[in-house]
Amino acid sequence: DAKTTQPPSMDCAEGRAANLPCNHSTISGNEYVYWYRQIHSQGPQYIIHGLKNNETNEMASLIITEDRKSSTLILPHATLRDTAVYYCIARYNQGGKLIFGQGTELSVKP
Amino acid sequence: DVKVTQSSRYLVKRTGEKVFLECVQDMDHENMFWYRQDPGLGLRLIYFSYDVKMKEKGDIPEGYSVSREKKERFSLILESASTNQTSMYLCASSLASILRTDTQYFGPGTRLTVL
Repeated sequence: DAKTTQPPSMDCAEGRAANLPCNHSTISGNEYVYWYRQIHSQGPQYIIHGLKNNETNEMASLIITEDRKSSTLILPHATLRDTAVYYCIARYNQGGKLIFGQGTELSVKP
Repeated sequence: DVKVTQSSRYLVKRTGEKVFLECVQDMDHENMFWYRQDPGLGLRLIYFSYDVKMKEKGDIPEGYSVSREKKERFSLILESASTNQTSMYLCASSLASILRTDTQYFGPGTRLTVL
């Protein structure tokens, strides 16, 4: 799986959009970009994934650059409950283990 | 919604005890995983299973065994608990990768303390 780089921490005001960046400059053509988050003392939660096109679901949007070297997870209206560590993972769809990097600790403040 | 449940959120056991951690998923997923998560070490894979009665060792299988008698249930067994097995244990499940999706869904975790 390609290495990903994320900022260690970010702050966001409640109600504003949270934009979490991820660099994956060595990603190969068949590797997907996955995002998970982990709220303190809970299991990781799947958010979204994509290959080339931008994706949106009820939780978030994923913007992948045309060269696929970076992506941004967007939480359109952050709430206090979105405070968590967010992990960006580049991986092949081959059923193996997940490898979490350090992630970004997002703090949503009132 | 996929639901993965684990038998306990918190568990306290004594050194030498046999410990069973149960995981159940309700989405007919073929793949199931057991991880442990420790500060500074991230997620580490203990065992995984691609089918009923099938198991494969992960990165840190020593001191653990698993059982998958039914598709929906994957059990982790600590044969003789030790203090270095104090950790957060996470179960996950996913559809078979041939279906071109590899999303793993996690349970809430079991925080095990071995005294």
